[in-house]
Amino acid sequence: DAKTTQPNSMESNEEEPVHLPCNHSTISGTDYIHWYRQLPSQGPEYVIHGLTSNVNNRMASLAIAEDRKSSTLILHRATLRDAAVYYCILRAVLKIQGAQKLVFGQGTRLTINP
Amino acid sequence: DSGVTQTPKHLITATGQRVTLRCSPRSGDLSVYWYQQSLDQGLQFLIQYYNGEERAKGNILERFSAQQFPDLHSELNLSSLELGDSALYFCASRGDRGNNEQFFGPGTRLTVL
Repeated sequence: DAKTTQPNSMESNEEEPVHLPCNHSTISGTDYIHWYRQLPSQGPEYVIHGLTSNVNNRMASLAIAEDRKSSTLILHRATLRDAAVYYCILRAVLKIQGAQKLVFGQGTRLTINP
Repeated sequence: DSGVTQTPKHLITATGQRVTLRCSPRSGDLSVYWYQQSLDQGLQFLIQYYNGEERAKGNILERFSAQQFPDLHSELNLSSLELGDSALYFCASRGDRGNNEQFFGPGTRLTVL
């Protein structure tokens, strides 16, 4: 399974943008980049995913480098509720129909200051 | 609320025992995934079932087994429990038709004494 590298922790202020980096230099051409987050005492929650192009949704934006060896999750205006552990995951396309395997790393613990 | 339910919320048992964790996926979701989260190993994928059949396997021990029933609920069986099996066990479900998002349940906290 291809590996991702994230900073252990980051800190930001409420209502400011947050850029969470992820390095994945061994990514293969068909690996998708997924981001999940885990709020305290909860199960992980899907944030966003992409393959090659930048992606936006109501929660965040995902910026993918042209060589795909790194990506950045962007929270445009952080709130206290965004304090969580953010996981960057590479998902390989499996040959078996319907199969999906997410391999979580250690993630980045994001702290938001009021 | 993700729509995925897990029972029980907490489970305390002794070494050597066997337990069963239950998961009900979101209505209509065919895929169920099981994960283990411990302090030293982080969040680890165990196994996936799709419409009753095993589809993907991760770091699942031989002492652990899972199944998915015709009504799509799933059970994770853990036997010959060891202290190191103490962890949070999460179930997730995913819809069909190319949907890539997994919805996680609230987890079952297992404590082995």
